[in-house]
Amino acid sequence: KNEVEQSPQNLTAQEGEFITINCSYSVGISALHWLQQHPGGGIVSLFMLSSGKKKHGRLIATINIQEKHSSLHITASHPRDSAVYICAVSTDGNKLVFGAGTILRVKS
Amino acid sequence: KAGVTQTPRYLIKTRGQQVTLSCSPISGHRSVSWYQQTPGQGLQFLFEYFSETQRNKGNFPGRFSGRQFSNSRSEMNVSTLELGDSALYLCASSLFTGGELSPLHFGNGTRLTVT
Repeated sequence: KNEVEQSPQNLTAQEGEFITINCSYSVGISALHWLQQHPGGGIVSLFMLSSGKKKHGRLIATINIQEKHSSLHITASHPRDSAVYICAVSTDGNKLVFGAGTILRVKS
Repeated sequence: KAGVTQTPRYLIKTRGQQVTLSCSPISGHRSVSWYQQTPGQGLQFLFEYFSETQRNKGNFPGRFSGRQFSNSRSEMNVSTLELGDSALYLCASSLFTGGELSPLHFGNGTRLTVT
Protein backbone atom coordinates (compact mmCIF):
# COMPACT_ATOMS: atom_id res chain seq x y z
CA LYS A 1 0.00 0.00 0.00
CA ASN A 2 1.36 3.42 -0.91
CA GLU A 3 2.07 5.82 1.94
CA VAL A 4 0.09 8.57 0.18
CA GLU A 5 -3.10 7.69 -1.64
CA GLN A 6 -5.06 10.11 -3.80
CA SER A 7 -8.53 9.81 -5.24
CA PRO A 8 -9.84 10.01 -7.82
CA GLN A 9 -7.05 9.28 -10.30
CA ASN A 10 -8.93 11.01 -13.10
CA LEU A 11 -11.66 13.61 -12.89
CA THR A 12 -13.65 15.33 -15.62
CA ALA A 13 -15.90 18.22 -14.66
CA GLN A 14 -18.03 20.81 -16.37
CA GLU A 15 -17.08 24.43 -16.01
CA GLY A 16 -18.59 25.86 -12.84
CA GLU A 17 -18.74 22.59 -10.92
CA PHE A 18 -17.42 22.17 -7.36
CA ILE A 19 -14.49 19.74 -7.32
CA THR A 20 -12.99 17.71 -4.48
CA ILE A 21 -9.75 15.75 -4.55
CA ASN A 22 -8.90 13.56 -1.58
CA CYS A 23 -5.59 12.51 -0.06
CA SER A 24 -4.95 9.94 2.67
CA TYR A 25 -1.57 9.18 4.20
CA SER A 26 -0.26 6.55 6.55
CA VAL A 27 2.99 8.08 7.85
CA GLY A 28 3.79 10.72 10.43
CA ILE A 29 4.06 14.12 8.80
CA SER A 30 5.22 17.62 9.59
CA ALA A 31 3.20 19.17 6.76
CA LEU A 32 1.08 18.31 3.74
CA HIS A 33 1.47 19.98 0.36
CA TRP A 34 -0.93 20.37 -2.52
CA LEU A 35 0.88 20.89 -5.82
CA GLN A 36 -0.32 21.68 -9.32
CA GLN A 37 1.50 20.49 -12.43
CA HIS A 38 0.65 21.68 -15.92
CA PRO A 39 1.71 19.95 -19.17
CA GLY A 40 5.38 20.75 -19.73
CA GLY A 41 6.30 19.82 -16.20
CA GLY A 42 6.35 22.98 -14.10
CA ILE A 43 5.08 22.46 -10.54
CA VAL A 44 3.44 25.15 -8.46
CA SER A 45 2.89 24.85 -4.73
CA LEU A 46 -0.77 25.64 -3.98
CA PHE A 47 -0.87 25.01 -0.24
CA MET A 48 1.30 23.82 2.60
CA LEU A 49 -0.65 23.00 5.74
CA SER A 50 -0.20 21.17 9.01
CA SER A 51 -3.65 21.78 10.52
CA GLY A 52 -7.06 23.23 9.79
CA LYS A 53 -8.00 24.92 6.57
CA LYS A 54 -6.49 27.36 4.08
CA LYS A 55 -8.15 29.30 1.27
CA HIS A 56 -6.66 31.01 -1.74
CA GLY A 57 -9.08 32.42 -4.27
CA ARG A 58 -11.31 29.57 -5.48
CA LEU A 59 -9.12 26.91 -3.87
CA ILE A 60 -9.61 25.53 -0.38
CA ALA A 61 -7.46 22.92 1.37
CA THR A 62 -8.33 21.14 4.59
CA ILE A 63 -6.49 18.62 6.72
CA ASN A 64 -7.60 16.30 9.52
CA ILE A 65 -4.49 15.17 11.35
CA GLN A 66 -6.30 12.58 13.49
CA GLU A 67 -7.83 10.91 10.43
CA LYS A 68 -4.68 11.44 8.29
CA HIS A 69 -6.75 12.90 5.50
CA SER A 70 -6.73 16.07 3.42
CA SER A 71 -9.00 17.47 0.74
CA LEU A 72 -8.49 20.03 -1.99
CA HIS A 73 -11.62 21.82 -3.16
CA ILE A 74 -12.01 23.95 -6.26
CA THR A 75 -15.11 26.12 -6.37
CA ALA A 76 -16.57 27.40 -9.66
CA SER A 77 -14.12 25.32 -11.71
CA HIS A 78 -12.74 26.73 -14.95
CA PRO A 79 -10.96 25.12 -17.93
CA ARG A 80 -7.72 26.79 -16.83
CA ASP A 81 -7.87 24.63 -13.68
CA SER A 82 -7.15 21.59 -15.88
CA ALA A 83 -3.89 20.14 -14.58
CA VAL A 84 -2.49 17.34 -12.44
CA TYR A 85 -2.97 17.91 -8.72
CA ILE A 86 -0.49 16.17 -6.46
CA CYS A 87 -0.65 15.60 -2.73
CA ALA A 88 2.69 15.26 -0.95
CA VAL A 89 3.65 14.90 2.70
CA SER A 90 6.79 16.12 4.43
CA THR A 91 8.18 13.36 6.59
CA ASP A 92 11.43 15.15 7.50
CA GLY A 93 12.23 18.64 6.28
CA ASN A 94 11.62 18.76 2.54
CA LYS A 95 11.83 14.98 2.18
CA LEU A 96 8.49 14.51 0.47
CA VAL A 97 6.45 11.41 -0.23
CA PHE A 98 4.13 11.99 -3.17
CA GLY A 99 0.75 10.71 -4.19
CA ALA A 100 0.25 9.49 -7.74
CA GLY A 101 -1.67 12.62 -8.70
CA THR A 102 -5.17 13.41 -9.91
CA ILE A 103 -5.62 14.38 -13.55
CA LEU A 104 -8.32 17.04 -13.71
CA ARG A 105 -10.00 18.12 -16.91
CA VAL A 106 -12.55 20.91 -16.81
CA LYS A 107 -14.70 21.19 -19.93
CA SER A 108 -16.30 24.43 -21.05
CA LYS B 1 12.48 38.23 -7.62
CA ALA B 2 13.85 35.60 -9.97
CA GLY B 3 12.44 32.10 -9.57
CA VAL B 4 14.28 28.81 -9.26
CA THR B 5 16.46 28.29 -12.31
CA GLN B 6 17.44 24.87 -13.56
CA THR B 7 19.94 24.27 -16.33
CA PRO B 8 19.98 22.77 -18.82
CA ARG B 9 16.29 22.33 -19.70
CA TYR B 10 16.90 19.33 -21.92
CA LEU B 11 19.73 16.85 -22.08
CA ILE B 12 20.40 13.74 -24.12
CA LYS B 13 23.09 11.36 -22.92
CA THR B 14 24.27 7.86 -23.75
CA ARG B 15 24.27 4.91 -21.36
CA GLY B 16 27.40 4.82 -19.26
CA GLN B 17 28.03 8.56 -19.42
CA GLN B 18 27.69 10.90 -16.49
CA VAL B 19 25.65 14.09 -16.20
CA THR B 20 25.57 17.16 -13.98
CA LEU B 21 22.43 19.22 -13.47
CA SER B 22 22.36 22.66 -11.91
CA CYS B 23 19.85 24.49 -9.73
CA SER B 24 19.95 28.13 -8.65
CA PRO B 25 17.50 28.80 -5.82
CA ILE B 26 15.51 31.94 -5.14
CA SER B 27 17.72 34.56 -3.54
CA GLY B 28 17.76 34.08 0.22
CA HIS B 29 16.61 30.46 0.10
CA ARG B 30 19.14 28.15 1.70
CA SER B 31 17.31 24.84 1.33
CA VAL B 32 17.43 23.05 -2.01
CA SER B 33 15.80 19.70 -2.64
CA TRP B 34 15.84 17.45 -5.71
CA TYR B 35 13.13 15.16 -7.07
CA GLN B 36 12.88 12.69 -9.93
CA GLN B 37 9.69 12.24 -11.94
CA THR B 38 9.12 9.26 -14.23
CA PRO B 39 5.92 7.91 -15.79
CA GLY B 40 6.33 4.62 -13.93
CA GLN B 41 7.38 5.75 -10.45
CA GLY B 42 5.91 9.23 -10.33
CA LEU B 43 7.67 11.81 -8.18
CA GLN B 44 10.38 10.61 -5.83
CA PHE B 45 12.63 12.48 -3.42
CA LEU B 46 16.35 12.40 -4.21
CA PHE B 47 18.07 14.60 -1.62
CA GLU B 48 17.89 17.85 0.32
CA TYR B 49 20.69 20.29 1.06
CA PHE B 50 20.87 23.09 3.58
CA SER B 51 23.91 25.29 4.18
CA GLU B 52 26.10 23.02 2.06
CA THR B 53 25.14 19.93 4.08
CA GLN B 54 23.01 17.05 2.91
CA ARG B 55 20.06 16.87 5.33
CA ASN B 56 18.19 13.98 3.78
CA LYS B 57 18.67 11.37 1.11
CA GLY B 58 16.08 9.27 -0.73
CA ASN B 59 16.33 5.64 -1.77
CA PHE B 60 18.50 6.01 -4.82
CA PRO B 61 21.76 4.23 -5.63
CA GLY B 62 25.10 5.84 -4.96
CA ARG B 63 25.35 6.83 -8.64
CA PHE B 64 23.15 9.76 -7.68
CA SER B 65 24.98 12.43 -5.76
CA GLY B 66 24.69 16.13 -5.14
CA ARG B 67 26.26 19.09 -3.48
CA GLN B 68 25.47 22.63 -2.49
CA PHE B 69 27.77 25.61 -2.74
CA SER B 70 28.20 28.53 -0.36
CA ASN B 71 25.88 30.68 -2.52
CA SER B 72 23.17 27.98 -2.09
CA ARG B 73 23.36 26.88 -5.73
CA SER B 74 23.15 23.13 -6.00
CA GLU B 75 24.24 20.50 -8.47
CA MET B 76 23.29 16.88 -8.80
CA ASN B 77 25.36 14.31 -10.61
CA VAL B 78 24.40 10.95 -12.03
CA SER B 79 27.25 8.66 -13.01
CA THR B 80 27.17 5.58 -15.23
CA LEU B 81 23.81 6.51 -16.69
CA GLU B 82 21.20 3.81 -17.25
CA LEU B 83 18.15 3.90 -19.51
CA GLY B 84 15.94 4.03 -16.41
CA ASP B 85 17.50 7.33 -15.38
CA SER B 86 15.54 9.04 -18.15
CA ALA B 87 13.27 11.40 -16.24
CA LEU B 88 12.32 14.94 -15.40
CA TYR B 89 14.58 16.16 -12.61
CA LEU B 90 13.08 18.92 -10.51
CA CYS B 91 14.65 21.05 -7.87
CA ALA B 92 12.88 23.21 -5.32
CA SER B 93 14.06 25.82 -2.90
CA SER B 94 12.57 27.08 0.33
CA LEU B 95 13.29 29.33 3.27
CA PHE B 96 13.30 26.26 5.53
CA THR B 97 16.14 26.60 8.03
CA GLY B 98 15.60 23.48 10.11
CA GLY B 99 12.71 24.75 12.18
CA GLU B 100 9.31 25.54 10.73
CA LEU B 101 8.73 24.46 7.13
CA SER B 102 8.04 27.00 4.41
CA PRO B 103 6.48 26.53 0.96
CA LEU B 104 8.52 25.00 -1.83
CA HIS B 105 9.28 26.85 -5.04
CA PHE B 106 9.98 24.55 -7.96
CA GLY B 107 12.11 25.08 -11.02
CA ASN B 108 10.90 24.05 -14.49
CA GLY B 109 13.01 20.93 -14.40
CA THR B 110 15.68 19.30 -16.54
CA ARG B 111 14.41 16.60 -18.88
CA LEU B 112 17.11 13.94 -19.20
CA THR B 113 16.92 11.33 -21.92
CA VAL B 114 19.36 8.42 -21.80
CA THR B 115 19.80 6.47 -25.06
